[in-house]
Amino acid sequence: DAGVIQSPRHEVTEMGQEVTLRCKPISGHDYLFWYRQTMMRGLELLIYFNNNVPIDDSGMPEDRFSAKMPNASFSTLKIQPSEPRDSAVYFCASSARDRGRFEQYFGPGTRLTVT
Amino acid sequence: AQSVTQLDSQVPVFEEAPVELRCNYSSSVSVYLFWYVQYPNQGLQLLLKYLSGSTLVKGINGFEAEFNKSQTSFHLRKPSVHISDTAEYFCAVSPSGGYQKVTFGTGTKLQVIP
Repeated sequence: DAGVIQSPRHEVTEMGQEVTLRCKPISGHDYLFWYRQTMMRGLELLIYFNNNVPIDDSGMPEDRFSAKMPNASFSTLKIQPSEPRDSAVYFCASSARDRGRFEQYFGPGTRLTVT
Repeated sequence: AQSVTQLDSQVPVFEEAPVELRCNYSSSVSVYLFWYVQYPNQGLQLLLKYLSGSTLVKGINGFEAEFNKSQTSFHLRKPSVHISDTAEYFCAVSPSGGYQKVTFGTGTKLQVIP
């Protein structure tokens, strides 16, 4: 299994630009999560999907953030317009609820720097 | 709602010494508990989990944790640490009986000193 795949691994952009982060979950997993990790706030859950449907987006910081999951094998997190305070590492994770498997499998993360 | 407290932000320990990383949780319902490890510049990886049954849970890399319901704790232990255990460790909790979002602690950085 290839694991959770995220792209790009690093992104440097200027304030005001649109940023799109991509995630491919593990095949067969029915939950997908987007997290943000910063030194100040630690690991924060932004949004999660079940069977491609957004279940809880209460962690999305503001309207500049949006996430989609058009199919079971792909999700995007978009920031428009980006701001310096969005600089962080963004993780995607997936999990499968069958047979009581509740552990989340994390991707390697995307390090976003907004200048 | 549930919460997780990891009181120690950093724990230095000499190689081959034992270590305990503390985790306390708060929840009004039954919970599942997890420990994850994050090596530098990598994503989180599951170390071990408690879903039900035996309160002593063994995980990968020689780690184990004990669920103590009365003290609402899930401390992580290893009898002898190695340099390669240097990483950040996260305790996490989710309500049992149906999938809901996992709440992570703030993490404990374990520094193994040669």
